[in-house]
Amino acid sequence: LAKTTQPISMDSYEGQEVNITCSHNNIATNDYITWYQQFPSQGPRFIIQGYKTKVTNEVASLFIPADRKSSTLSLPRVSLSDTAVYYCLVGGNNQGGKLIFGQGTELSVKP
Amino acid sequence: KAGVTQTPRYLIKTRGQQVTLSCSPISGHRSVSWYQQTPGQGLQFLFEYFSETQRNKGNFPGRFSGRQFSNSRSEMNVSTLELGDSALYLCASSLVPLRGENTEAFFGQGTRLTVV
Repeated sequence: LAKTTQPISMDSYEGQEVNITCSHNNIATNDYITWYQQFPSQGPRFIIQGYKTKVTNEVASLFIPADRKSSTLSLPRVSLSDTAVYYCLVGGNNQGGKLIFGQGTELSVKP
Repeated sequence: KAGVTQTPRYLIKTRGQQVTLSCSPISGHRSVSWYQQTPGQGLQFLFEYFSETQRNKGNFPGRFSGRQFSNSRSEMNVSTLELGDSALYLCASSLVPLRGENTEAFFGQGTRLTVV
């Protein structure tokens, strides 16, 4: 199963763009890349998912290079409410229905 | 529509007791998974149910069990509680089991279990 590596923590200021990079060197051909957000004492919330190139939704963008060994979650113009833990997950059909969470990146947005 | 509902939100139990946690998935969702979250181990998969059948199980002792009912509601049970079972237990639902490109699960707020 593909293992992911992310920075443990990041700091940012309101209004800035935040980019969180995740490494997944042994990603398999059928693996998708998914990002979740979690606030304290709440369950994780799905943000975005992609397979290759770039995916954008109303919340974030996901950039995936051609070799797919890493991915970058981009949060435009963050606010204080974006302070949370962000998890990068990699998996596909071989995951057997389970989401495998790594340690995540604790993002702190300051005023 | 209503999200995933977990009850109770908080629970305090004594070592050796057993506990049952409940999860009502989003209406129409037939797949339910359970996760344990602790500061030391992070988020760990417990089991997955679909159409009343356990499809997958994580690496937890047999004291942890679960079931799913015909209305897709699910319960998990932990017997002979240990101090280390103190955790946030999260339930997630999805329309169908998470496979391939289907990686969007909807989580409840969890049940905070404290074992004393």
